Amino acid sequence: NAGVTQTPKFQVLKTGQSMTLQCAQDMNHEYMSWYRQDPGMGLRLIHYSVGAGITDQGEVPNGYNVSRSTTEDFPLRLLSAAPSQTSVYFCASRPGWEASGANVLTFGAGSRLTVL
Amino acid sequence: RKEVEQDPGPFNVPEGATVAFNCTYSNSASQSFFWYRQDCRKEPKLLMSVYSSGNEDGRFTAQLNRASQYISLLIRDSKLSDSATYLCVVNPTDSWGKLQFGAGTQVVVTP
Repeated sequence: NAGVTQTPKFQVLKTGQSMTLQCAQDMNHEYMSWYRQDPGMGLRLIHYSVGAGITDQGEVPNGYNVSRSTTEDFPLRLLSAAPSQTSVYFCASRPGWEASGANVLTFGAGSRLTVL
Repeated sequence: RKEVEQDPGPFNVPEGATVAFNCTYSNSASQSFFWYRQDCRKEPKLLMSVYSSGNEDGRFTAQLNRASQYISLLIRDSKLSDSATYLCVVNPTDSWGKLQFGAGTQVVVTP
């Protein structure tokens, strides 16, 4: 049982480049989300999904796209990277509200992105 | 004003001592509260949920004060391995799925 797997762990981009951060979970969790973590700030929600085919914006969605074609995968796309997107990105998942442990997030190991 | 606020610390604690710190939240309708632990350059992991009547998990005690809108975490008999950043997490009832995170309180346990 791998939990939540994120790739890549590290990435350096130039301004204007695009890339996709991959996230996969094998726990059959309904809910998946992407956060970014910056020094001195709490984790901020970028986008989230409550099930396959359903996505919604979080607190800081600008500059990021997501899709949820399967229950397992929730990729985060940066279409045109900017230095302000330099951050540590975490993918997290949890069961649906009716399931045991519905409030408990399981995080991936994180992806450190630097945009030059 | 941030939705969830924490003293960033660091709290420097001698091994074996007790340390306690709080987290304040702004949404009075919030129903669920948690403490997560984050080690340096690692992902956050659930430490414990916080229940209305307060709860313990070994050396850790969590309390909720709804009137003053804060939760607290107390660590007794601190171990070197308790050195970490402790994140306060609040689930506001009007935002399905949008947990709110504090920036964290750093605890450093010294020999």
